[in-house]
Amino acid sequence: DAGVTQSPTHLIKTRGQQVTLRCSPKSGHDTVSWYQQALGQGPQFIFQYYEEEERQRGNFPDRFSGHQFPNYSSELNVNALLLGDSALYLCASLAPGGAAEAFFGQGTRLTVV
Amino acid sequence: AQKITQTQPGMFVQEKEAVTLDCTYDTSDQSYGLFWYKQPSSGEMIFLIYQGSYDEQNATEGRYSLNFQKARKSANLVISASQLGDSAMYFCAMREGSYNFNKFYFGSGTKLNVKP
Repeated sequence: DAGVTQSPTHLIKTRGQQVTLRCSPKSGHDTVSWYQQALGQGPQFIFQYYEEEERQRGNFPDRFSGHQFPNYSSELNVNALLLGDSALYLCASLAPGGAAEAFFGQGTRLTVV
Repeated sequence: AQKITQTQPGMFVQEKEAVTLDCTYDTSDQSYGLFWYKQPSSGEMIFLIYQGSYDEQNATEGRYSLNFQKARKSANLVISASQLGDSAMYFCAMREGSYNFNKFYFGSGTKLNVKP
């Protein structure tokens, strides 16, 4: 049983460009959340998707957007990249109906130059 | 105010000894969950242990136990019989409210080094 998978694992973008990160949740999980983890800090909540809708959002600008597909996979899009967007982006999935822990992927390390 | 506070940026422990990683939290919700995750250098967050706010017994999972003191709003992680493979970043996290529409608040982490 595959866990949460994210792609790509690393990428380098230039300031001002746009990027799309992808996440496939653990089998049977229907809720996906995205987190940004800057170097030396704890993860910060970006947003959460359930039933293909954004349900909660953290304190991130509109440059950060997302999508959830019918198969529960998800994308995170970041427009007009800034140097400060360089971070590890983690995807987490939750099982339906009262699950406790979230399962995380290995993350995508984004470097903006 | 910070939702989760971890005051130990780094900790050292001798192999086979026990270590306690501190965590305090701040919430006005009655229903919440407290979690500990381990993050090795590979980046993946590995779930270790969970404590619900209504659980009266401290949670245990193998060598991990959570020392839950509700009145003090603390949720310390105790690792017994430390192993070299325990060297990693450890994050305390909290989730408020209902399960399906929730977000985790993470602390800044504690870097644990286990010495042989």
